[in-house]
Amino acid sequence: NAGVTQTPKFRVLKTGQSMTLLCAQDMNHEYMYWYRQDPGMGLRLIHYSVGEGTTAKGEVPDGYNVSRLKKQNFLLGLESAAPSQTSVYFCASSGAGGGPFRETQYFGPGTRLLVL
Amino acid sequence: AQSVAQPEDQVNVAEGNPLTVKCTYSVSGNPYLFWYVQYPNRGLQFLLKYITGDNLVKGSYGFEAEFNKSQTSFHLKKPSALVSDSALYFCALYFWAAGNKLTFGGGTRVLVKP
Repeated sequence: NAGVTQTPKFRVLKTGQSMTLLCAQDMNHEYMYWYRQDPGMGLRLIHYSVGEGTTAKGEVPDGYNVSRLKKQNFLLGLESAAPSQTSVYFCASSGAGGGPFRETQYFGPGTRLLVL
Repeated sequence: AQSVAQPEDQVNVAEGNPLTVKCTYSVSGNPYLFWYVQYPNRGLQFLLKYITGDNLVKGSYGFEAEFNKSQTSFHLKKPSALVSDSALYFCALYFWAAGNKLTFGGGTRVLVKP
């Protein structure tokens, strides 16, 4: 039982390049989330999904797109990377329970992204 | 707007001494409150949560937290700290009226010295 996994672990991009971060969970969780972590700012929600085929915007969605074609996977895309997107990205998932954000979230190990 | 504050960037404590990490929140109602811990180069791990009921919540690794509605606080405590408790701790809040989001505090780094 791997929990939540993320690929890649680290990536360097040049401004304007694109990339996709992959998150996978094997806990059959309904809800999945993408956060970014910046020093002193805690985690901020980028996008989230309440089920296969559905996505919604979080607090800081600009410059990112997501897709959830399969229940176990949640992809985060950067179409044209900017230095302001240098951050550590965390994916998380949670079970149905009382609804999104109300239940314990299980986090992946993170992806460190540097945009030059 | 809802907010979570962790007033201390860092807490230093000697091994064996009590550990307290402070968290205060601002919402007009009854929130869900969480504590998560992050070890170096790892994702966040759940410690405990408060939804309703007993104000004292017990969690993983010997941690507990006390919900205080009048002071709008949810401080994390451990009676006897271990060196292995050294990590970054986050308080988080969910409040139904504020929409779908989990608001995190800025984090408190705990350093437990032998």
